[in-house]
Formats: sequence, C-alpha cells, structure tokens
Amino acid sequence: SQQGEEDPQALSIQEGENATMNCSYKTSINNLQWYRQNSGRGLVHLILIRSNEREKHSGRLRVTLDTSKKSSSLLITASRAADTASYFCATASLYNQGGKLIFGQGTELSVKP
Amino acid sequence: SQTIHQWPATLVQPVGSPLSLECTVEGTSNPNLYWYRQAAGRGLQLLFYSVGIGQISSEVPQNLSASRPQDRQFILSSKKLLLSDSGFYLCAWRTVNYGYTFGSGTRLTVV
Repeated sequence: SQQGEEDPQALSIQEGENATMNCSYKTSINNLQWYRQNSGRGLVHLILIRSNEREKHSGRLRVTLDTSKKSSSLLITASRAADTASYFCATASLYNQGGKLIFGQGTELSVKP
Repeated sequence: SQTIHQWPATLVQPVGSPLSLECTVEGTSNPNLYWYRQAAGRGLQLLFYSVGIGQISSEVPQNLSASRPQDRQFILSSKKLLLSDSGFYLCAWRTVNYGYTFGSGTRLTVV
C-alpha cells in the first residue's frame, strides 16, 4: 500500500537555487526518512526524522516534520548539478512489524548548471 | 565494515523461465532484510521482508517467493516468470539507526 506521496513529481531548478520537496502520508508513524536515487542505482539514505522531532539538519539538507498535518519537507540549499537525482520519502509505521518502510513515488530533481 | 551485495546487475529472462536473485549482507548479524521492486519511473513496492532465518513476510500476492536460508542471505525466486515481473529489484537491510542500506539493484527484463 502506498503511504508517502511526494510533491512535486518533477522539479527543475538552476544551480545555486534552493529545492523544496514535500511528502504527505496517511498513518501514524515512528519515523520518516528521505532517500536519494541516482538513475539506475540503489537508494542512499539521507536523513531520518523521528515523530517527536520537528526539524533536522544535515549539511545542505533540512527536513521538517508536521505530524498534525502528516507531512514532511526536504529542503536542499544552494543546489548543485550533482544533486540531480530522484528523492523519496519513506515512513516507518508506529505499529511496525519488521521495521518495514513504505516509500512514496518520488520527486525527480534536475539541477541545471 | 557493513556491506550488502546483490547480483546479478542485469538479467534478461524469457517468459516461463525460473528466477533466482541473491542478496547477502556482511558485517552484521541477524539483520532485518527486505526485497523491493521498482517499476520504471515509480516508487518502491515492498515485496517481502524477513526478521530472521526462515522467517518471511509477504506484502503483496504475486508470482514471486522469498527465502532466507542463512542469517545474512536473502533470495528472491520465481518458478515461472511473467512479463509483468520485469522491473528493478532492490535488496535492503535495516541498520541500527533504523535507516536502510540498499544494494545496487538488479534490472530484470522478461521477454
């Protein structure tokens, strides 16, 4: 079943600009995670935010979580051409069995030099 | 160090043929393991997960099966492939901080 829904589906920006991607989910969560996928490759874990956290930073990444709205956003500041990739949010249910993650459909980010 | 291996990288199989994809993890014990499938341009669909040897949970009814014969080995199989089984298959394990580490994936094309 689909849990996370990303918005927008595709985003094209110029190098140096900020990129914001949003994720909405449906059920109560233990944590929410963001991943990056370069074309044809496996996914790389970027950041995890727990349900009792509201904001988290990692380098040029900033993630927010609003559990009342069941939504999260990923902000990439001062984007670079190398940030071009697909970005996925994934949620771990509060009532999780086996620690499984449910992924959204992803946002395809293109950063033009 | 902890690593995950997945092979082969690409596979072209005829309809009706069997399938076996293998995933192994190194540097950890008793990991939670997962098989996902990704259709072109889409998100990941969880197929199976395992919390221990011989324990398999199936998420969606399908033409595939999974097995975990050893602690750090997870196998995805099919007796007879369908065209709809084509896709990008990803194995993952859950790290101690609850994030996933993914393998490099297998692109399966059923012809």
